[in-house]
This record gives sequence, C-alpha cells and structure tokens, in this order.
Amino acid sequence: DGGITQSPKYLFRKEGQNVTLSCEQNLNHDAMYWYRQDPGQGLRLIYYSQIVNDFQKGDIAEGYSVSREKKESFPLTVTSAQKNPTAFYLCASSSGRGATEAFFGQGTRLTVV
Amino acid sequence: GQQVMQIPQYQHVQEGEDFTTYCNSSTTLSNIQWYKQRPGGHPVFLIQLVKSGEVKKQKRLTFQFGEAKKNSSLHITATQTTDVGTYFCAGPRNNDMRFGAGTRLTVKP
Repeated sequence: DGGITQSPKYLFRKEGQNVTLSCEQNLNHDAMYWYRQDPGQGLRLIYYSQIVNDFQKGDIAEGYSVSREKKESFPLTVTSAQKNPTAFYLCASSSGRGATEAFFGQGTRLTVV
Repeated sequence: GQQVMQIPQYQHVQEGEDFTTYCNSSTTLSNIQWYKQRPGGHPVFLIQLVKSGEVKKQKRLTFQFGEAKKNSSLHITATQTTDVGTYFCAGPRNNDMRFGAGTRLTVKP
C-alpha cells in the first residue's frame, strides 16, 4: 500500500535526551514536511524539504534537526535544546512545491517526563 | 508566522445547523487547500481551489475562493455528528506549506 508512515505512535523520553522520530513515504514524493501540534492548536511548520540533501527551517525550528539523505525518509530529531518538546508531531509529503495535496502520517505523540 | 488567518477558532452547533469557517490572507494565494482532522487523527485533504471566484461542492460541503484569491470559506449545510473535527486551510507559498490555526467544530446531537 502506498502511504506515509510515522513511527512510533507513542514515545516517552526523559528530559534531556535526544529522540528521533521516523517518517517514511513510498509515494515517490519530492516534498516532505514536519509539523508540531499542541492540544487544541493548529499545525506549526518545523522543517521542510523539497529535494534530497536539502531542507529549510520552518517557523519553529529551534531545538529540532532533520536530515534528508533518501527521498523516502525524513527523520526529525528533537534535541535536548527544545524547551517544551511534549507534543503531537505530524509528518507530511506532497508531490510538488506546495501546489498539490499533502498526505499526512498518523503522527507521533511524544511525551517528555 | 501563520500565512493565513482562520476564524472562528471554535464553533459549537446543534445537529442540523449550518457551519462556516473562513480563511484570510494578506497576500494573494496561488491556491488554497482545505483539510479535516478528526479528533485523535491526522489531517486529511478535502479539496484544492485554484481559480479566482471558484466554488466547489462535496455533498453538504461548499468551498469558495475569493475573487482576489486572498480569502476562502468552507460551508457545511445541515451539520451531522460525523462532521465533528478541526478544519484547516492551507495556503502553499513557494516551497513550503503553512496552515491556518483551524476551526474546531463540535456538533450536539
């Protein structure tokens, strides 16, 4: 089945630890995005990538890092520098430069204790 | 920051009542997209509007794109409990995609 997969669905980490969220797509999409969603809030753009080995900061990139070594993969690392990392993280992909629909993964709910 | 402003933030209706959410941008948009996120779920694409003044319908949902391509609306006629969720608009720009804050719709049976 074609789609975009995020894992794990739930993740718990201790404060001060880095954690990497996985995002894989087999849709052959060029563009991939990471968003953060807090309870009752909208989607805030963390990072995005339009092509392999290239990515740009979104509105809330501080405390996060990404890589795009393969077209199908766009992992997000939440570093210890992120002051309030507990949130719902959504990965998305699209075929074009923002001009086509985005497909979202199921999301990863990260809780830092 | 947010490229598009979306209002209202919340809307609670009685089942059978109509519902409308609005998106406004300070700049002209090349297109606008609408998504629905069910509680506990992920956003799912509903529709894309591209042309000035475009109107599209999906059953009880009517989507409009303003003449100046700076605003858009989603109207639901005779809401049902299955309409519950958060509706987002997105205004793609250059290489990124930013979303409005969303309108959370609750429906009382």
